[in-house]
Amino acid sequence: GAGVSQTPSNKVTEKGKYVELRCDPISGHTALYWYRQSLGQGPEFLIYFQGTGAADDSGLPNDRFFAVRPEGSVSTLKIQRTERGDSAVYLCASSSGPDEKLFFGSGTQLSVL
Amino acid sequence: QKEVEQDPGPLSVPEGAIVSLNCTYSNSAFQYFMWYRQYSRKGPELLMYTYSSGNKEDGRFTAQVDKSSKYISLFIRDSQPSDSATYLCASTLAGGTSYGKLTFGQGTILTVHP
Repeated sequence: GAGVSQTPSNKVTEKGKYVELRCDPISGHTALYWYRQSLGQGPEFLIYFQGTGAADDSGLPNDRFFAVRPEGSVSTLKIQRTERGDSAVYLCASSSGPDEKLFFGSGTQLSVL
Repeated sequence: QKEVEQDPGPLSVPEGAIVSLNCTYSNSAFQYFMWYRQYSRKGPELLMYTYSSGNKEDGRFTAQVDKSSKYISLFIRDSQPSDSATYLCASTLAGGTSYGKLTFGQGTILTVHP
């Protein structure tokens, strides 16, 4: 596709449930980032992949959050035992290399009831 | 204290006005400075980026960085209703694997009314 695609665009779940959020980066982009944006705030870095490996996961808030990118393209952000405080927009971005411009997707709005 | 501070506004101006948006940062190690525009229900889009102190101009937009005072500014000339969006400043460390690990300000909501 022409841009970064994120699915679903909206996800409503109940407290304690498990969710998966998907990101399809721009074709050929080797670098992939996950950010979280709470209401009225700027995005906050979660994790960075270069290829298949997580080069920096220092932004993941706790061990309930995990992300994978098994083939170096699509990435999935996984959240276990969701809490109401996890409600936010989860943004994915990709770039053609570690020093290159980031292109953001439109995000997944996660609501935990 | 957040590493990048930005007045959230909101800011409302008439069409044609000059808009000034500002941020301050506290981390002296930041090397790159960006401005992103974010429309409602969309992801941020890069507008401008600068590496060093000074001005950078692109059409109606001018980005300014003063590293001595840790101050970042974006000026929009001849503002248009289509400029109505949230503007986010962001900073990052030197290049390499740290480049895409951005620290964002809170964002300023701008409305340009006809």
